[in-house]
Amino acid sequence: DAKTTQPTSMDCAEGRAANLPCNHSTISGNEYVYWYRQIHSQGPQYIIHGLKNNETNEMASLIITEDRKSSTLILPHATLRDTAVYYCIVRVAGSGGYQKVTFGTGTKLQVIP
Amino acid sequence: GAVVSQHPSRVICKSGTSVKIECRSLDFQATTMFWYRQFPKQSLMLMATSNEGSKATYEQGVEKDKFLINHASLTLSTLTVTSAHPEDSSFYICSASAGQEGSPLHFGNGTRLTVT
Repeated sequence: DAKTTQPTSMDCAEGRAANLPCNHSTISGNEYVYWYRQIHSQGPQYIIHGLKNNETNEMASLIITEDRKSSTLILPHATLRDTAVYYCIVRVAGSGGYQKVTFGTGTKLQVIP
Repeated sequence: GAVVSQHPSRVICKSGTSVKIECRSLDFQATTMFWYRQFPKQSLMLMATSNEGSKATYEQGVEKDKFLINHASLTLSTLTVTSAHPEDSSFYICSASAGQEGSPLHFGNGTRLTVT
């Protein structure tokens, strides 16, 4: 898997957009970008993933740069429940469930009232 | 969405005993499941890859005789911590994927193991 780099921590005011960056400069053409978050003492929760195009779902938006070397996860209106550690991961497409996923240290997002 | 169920959520055992943790994919078949361990304030560390019908693949430094993995069906993988010691106390998490191209991993809610 390509390595990813994320800031260790970020703060965001409640109700504002939280923008979490991730660098994956060595990403290969067939690797997807995945985002997960982990709330204390729970298993990681899948948020969103993408290959080239920007993606949006009910939880968040994913913006991938044209060169695919970085991406940003956007939580449009952060709430206190969004306080968690956010992990950005890249993983080869086409391998289905077979390719292992390794986690970096992630970004600790603190949403402030 | 895809659901992975992990059981038990919390277990306390005495040193020297064995503990079995189950991981089930509830609404999809998972040829491959992954087991992670997480110590306080640290990230998830991959322990092993569980393959249905074959031997698990362990990461470097993980003792295969201590952490026994069985993946007997497409919806169930088990991790048995044998002869548990206090240093095995940790948060154990399993994950699985439905297998389609680009499909994400889905994670169980973890098992908090405390060895006394």
